[in-house]
Amino acid sequence: DAGVIQSPRHEVTEMGQEVTLRCKPISGHNSLFWYRQTMMRGLELLIYFNNNVPIDDSGMPEDRFSAKMPNASFSTLKIQPSEPRDSAVYFCASSGAEPYNEQFFGPGTRLTVL
Amino acid sequence: AQSVTQPDIHITVSEGASLELRCNYSYGATPYLFWYVQSPGQGLQLLLKYFSGDTLVQGIKGFEAEFKRSQSSFNLRKPSVHWSDAAEYFCAVVPNSGGYQKVTFGTGTKLQVIP
Repeated sequence: DAGVIQSPRHEVTEMGQEVTLRCKPISGHNSLFWYRQTMMRGLELLIYFNNNVPIDDSGMPEDRFSAKMPNASFSTLKIQPSEPRDSAVYFCASSGAEPYNEQFFGPGTRLTVL
Repeated sequence: AQSVTQPDIHITVSEGASLELRCNYSYGATPYLFWYVQSPGQGLQLLLKYFSGDTLVQGIKGFEAEFKRSQSSFNLRKPSVHWSDAAEYFCAVVPNSGGYQKVTFGTGTKLQVIP
């Protein structure tokens, strides 16, 4: 298995632009998580999907952030418009039947908003 | 308030020395406990987890952790550190109260290994 796949690995954009991050979870996993990691705030859960349905989006910072999971093999995290304070590493993770099983993390997308 | 604390931001050990990374939690009941490792430029990888039962848990890469209810701690240990263990280590906690509960990660401990 290729593991969790994220694209792009690096993204540099200008303030105000739309940014879309993509994630392909491990086949057969039915839980998907989006995290944001910064030096100041550490690792934060943004949103959790189970069977493609958003279960917990309490960590989504504001309306500029949105996430979708149209099917079991694909999810997106969109920021529109982006701001410099959104600069961070964004991780996608997936896990099996129970959300407290091991979470498998992707390599992350490093986002820089100028 | 529920929380997880890793009191050591940065630790330096000599290769071959023993290692202990601290994790303390503050929850009403014993939560589910995890240790993850993050190498530079990579995502997190699970080292070990504790749900119940034997309080000494063995993980991958020669790591182990001991759950101590009286101290609300779940410290990670390794008898002999290798240079490849240099990474950041995260303790994570999930409340054991049924239904969905959010994972809370500690702030991490960065391990430096010197020759």
